[in-house]
Amino acid sequence: AQTVTQSQPEMSVQEAETVTLSCTYDTSESDYYLFWYKQPPSRQMILVIRQEAYKQQNATENRFSVNFQKAAKSFSLKISDSQLGDAAMYFCAYRRLGGSNYKLTFGKGTLLTVNP
Amino acid sequence: EPEVTQTPSHQVTQMGQEVILRCVPISNHLYFYWYRQILGQKVEFLVSFYNNEISEKSEIFDDQFSVERPDGSNFTLKIRSTKLEDSAMYFCASSALAGGTDTQYFGPGTRLTVL
Repeated sequence: AQTVTQSQPEMSVQEAETVTLSCTYDTSESDYYLFWYKQPPSRQMILVIRQEAYKQQNATENRFSVNFQKAAKSFSLKISDSQLGDAAMYFCAYRRLGGSNYKLTFGKGTLLTVNP
Repeated sequence: EPEVTQTPSHQVTQMGQEVILRCVPISNHLYFYWYRQILGQKVEFLVSFYNNEISEKSEIFDDQFSVERPDGSNFTLKIRSTKLEDSAMYFCASSALAGGTDTQYFGPGTRLTVL
């Protein structure tokens, strides 16, 4: 079974600085998808960024980028120029490619605090 | 922008009672999901639903749980006889497709408290 591990229960960053959230996963699959979701205090999860495992290029979305290391099974999220609105719980998630298994497998989350 | 909506936002019930949690997925989506998050724990998959039938369910989704799409817009999760350990946040999600990088869009959740 696939597992996702987020080893940092909490992180903090100063406004305008950069922070990196860690995620590792375990799978025997060669093709899959990885996601970072943000869950602000309102509790609706929002997709931040996604990565296809077959792509070597790291995904970027404005101030958010990932460092995808397939061999190491590592998928970290970098937030540049942190803003107060970035404060949230961040979840790393895994999904298989293909078949009929479409569920997301989540890590436990990292609570990010942004200090003014 | 279309959103997944869920009602109620908070449900309090007595142990042994039946509850129905309601979701309205995004209108052109075809795949529907329920997840739950016990306080302080990770978000866990419960069930996925497509073409009016369950496509996958987890070990958590036992005979006490059922899902239904009673009409063209609603997607419901029923818990027949609630237990204390069913207290959690329940999230509905939907996606247009299941394959590819298609995104699952989540609703704001229903907090279920079982007393």
